[in-house]
Amino acid sequence: EAGVAQSPRYKIIEKRQSVAFWCNPISGHATLYWYQQILGQGPKLLIQFQNNGVVDDSQLPKDRFSAERLKGVDSTLKIQPAKLEDSAVYLCASSLGSNLDPLHFGNGTRLTVT
Amino acid sequence: GQNIDQPTEMTATEGAIVQINCTYQTSGFNGLFWYQQHAGEAPTFLSYNVLDGLEEKGRFSSFLSRSKGYSYLLLKELQMKDSASYLCAVREWGKLQFGAGTQVVVTP
Repeated sequence: EAGVAQSPRYKIIEKRQSVAFWCNPISGHATLYWYQQILGQGPKLLIQFQNNGVVDDSQLPKDRFSAERLKGVDSTLKIQPAKLEDSAVYLCASSLGSNLDPLHFGNGTRLTVT
Repeated sequence: GQNIDQPTEMTATEGAIVQINCTYQTSGFNGLFWYQQHAGEAPTFLSYNVLDGLEEKGRFSSFLSRSKGYSYLLLKELQMKDSASYLCAVREWGKLQFGAGTQVVVTP
């Protein structure tokens, strides 16, 4: 089966600019996650969707980050305006949806904010 | 919320065994996952425990004690390709939260 697709693979922007990341989950996976992984740390959950509804966004900095999954398939994560501390790898993952199902991760987008 | 603690780094020799411990605190435990992450790559799923006891999958085994808030990942017959970060992740109320990871360095 095709894996989780993410683009772009790398992005370099200046602070205060905006950026968007795209994710296409594994076909049939109802749950989609966005994680932020800062170098040397574990992934931190930003937002979790079940189909096109938000299950949890408690750790999403909503003043600058937004995410949507309009048709319950693809998702986009946006940062506007970016800060230096947003430099990280942004990982998208998907799963079938039950607590027993493992998450399958995409290769991530490495963001550098200068 | 939850705290997930695991050692920062471990070093072992090729062919040896390494045990990575993970302790956690949670109010709504749904399961514990282990992931492997090579540098610059995405995490890949290794194992899952929801009940107490040992789960064995080839060279990798994972153990869980829910009453102690404790798990370990056992890597046997270490190979150079096992050098990676190993992430302990706890599912709590449907959310999967990760520890900081344990960097395992395998030496010849």
